[in-house]
Amino acid sequence: AQSVSQHNHHVILSEAASLELGCNYSYGGTVNLFWYVQYPGQHLQLLLKYFSGDPLVKGIKGFEAEFIKSKFSFNLRKPSVQWSDTAEYFCAVNSDEKLTFGTGTRLTIIP
Amino acid sequence: KAGVTQTPRYLIKTRGQQVTLSCSPISGHRSVSWYQQTPGQGLQFLFEYFSETQRNKGNFPGRFSGRQFSNSRSEMNVSTLELGDSALYLCASSLGHHKETQYFGPGTRLTVT
Repeated sequence: AQSVSQHNHHVILSEAASLELGCNYSYGGTVNLFWYVQYPGQHLQLLLKYFSGDPLVKGIKGFEAEFIKSKFSFNLRKPSVQWSDTAEYFCAVNSDEKLTFGTGTRLTIIP
Repeated sequence: KAGVTQTPRYLIKTRGQQVTLSCSPISGHRSVSWYQQTPGQGLQFLFEYFSETQRNKGNFPGRFSGRQFSNSRSEMNVSTLELGDSALYLCASSLGHHKETQYFGPGTRLTVT
């Protein structure tokens, strides 16, 4: 069965700091990869996705993620975070059967 | 296009009761998936429906069931509620293939007392 690991449970950063959230998955076949974000009091929204092609994908609000197949990783990055990026971030992997989520990373940005 | 809608948004039930939650997918979407979100377990897949048929199922007891109607709307039912069923229940829709992007609704917050 596939699984997704997000090793950072809670990350606290100051505004303008750079961000990298880790995501690793275990599945040997072809996968589609996603990052979703859940802002306080709001529903889950798609941040970005990777299906095929360029392994560096850009999403909304300045986020990007890099798919490294050899490392089974899909880390999320942002060069300079803002207070409004405070949210919970979920990595998800879709293989043959279903969408599997990581446990999420809570990101707190200090003004 | 309107997004995924879920009703009701909040629900309080007593142990032993049963509950039905509703989900209307984005127009044109034929696949509906349900997830349970709790602080301890994160997002857990319940089941997926496509063209009125359950296409996939997660590891939940038989008390959790669902169905999909011909207009792609879906309902989820939980019978004999337990305290541990308190959670945010999320519905997501996609065009059809289960590898496509899923779009989530706001969820139904169920509290079991």
